[in-house]
Amino acid sequence: SAVISQKPSRDICQRGTSLTIQCQVDSQVTMMFWYRQQPGQSLTLIATANQGSEATYESGFVIDKFPISRPNLTFSTLTVSNMSPEDSSIYLCSSPGGAHTQYFGPGTRLTVL
Amino acid sequence: QKEVEQNSGPLSVPEGAIASLNCTYSDRGSQSFFWYRQYSGKSPELIMFIYSNGDKEDGRFTAQLNKASQYVSLLIRDSQPSDSATYLCAVRLGGTSYGKLTFGQGTILTVHP
Repeated sequence: SAVISQKPSRDICQRGTSLTIQCQVDSQVTMMFWYRQQPGQSLTLIATANQGSEATYESGFVIDKFPISRPNLTFSTLTVSNMSPEDSSIYLCSSPGGAHTQYFGPGTRLTVL
Repeated sequence: QKEVEQNSGPLSVPEGAIASLNCTYSDRGSQSFFWYRQYSGKSPELIMFIYSNGDKEDGRFTAQLNKASQYVSLLIRDSQPSDSATYLCAVRLGGTSYGKLTFGQGTILTVHP
């Protein structure tokens, strides 16, 4: 199974600021995924980060709000820009651990005041 | 109709009983199906995946898939209080082995002593 780490584990931010979340995988993977889990809700995919190409965003999510970088096959960042209280969520990084499996990082708990 | 739907909870069972969790999906092209367990404040943990019709057993857990009925379930035998968590059904839409997952809303399971 893949071991995935995220930084920071949690943060409290002011409205209008930005936060960059880092995700590190212990092995090379083609795809990395970023999910959001709002309080009491299930997981919603934000975007798929592919190495060497622009991220693919899901409906309702845009690059200006959630820019993503994928500089190599083990690392990705998600930035939450111009934050509002509605962005308060857990942000989860995920990657395949092999065919038919997918693992999650520990998550970043974001609170926006 | 939601792409992935789970039976509404919360579900409460006594210790030692069988817990039955159900999930339906709308896309007939779905190839892989996953059950995750999520404890409060933690990230989702993969319990099982299944991609062939029929049953797949792993310890106290059995996943059942019926593609004709577009239905997947998870049975937990000899339920323990430590099984109390939110269970998330996830579906990989399309034919790739490494693509994104779509999640159901989750079912909260409580196993009481």
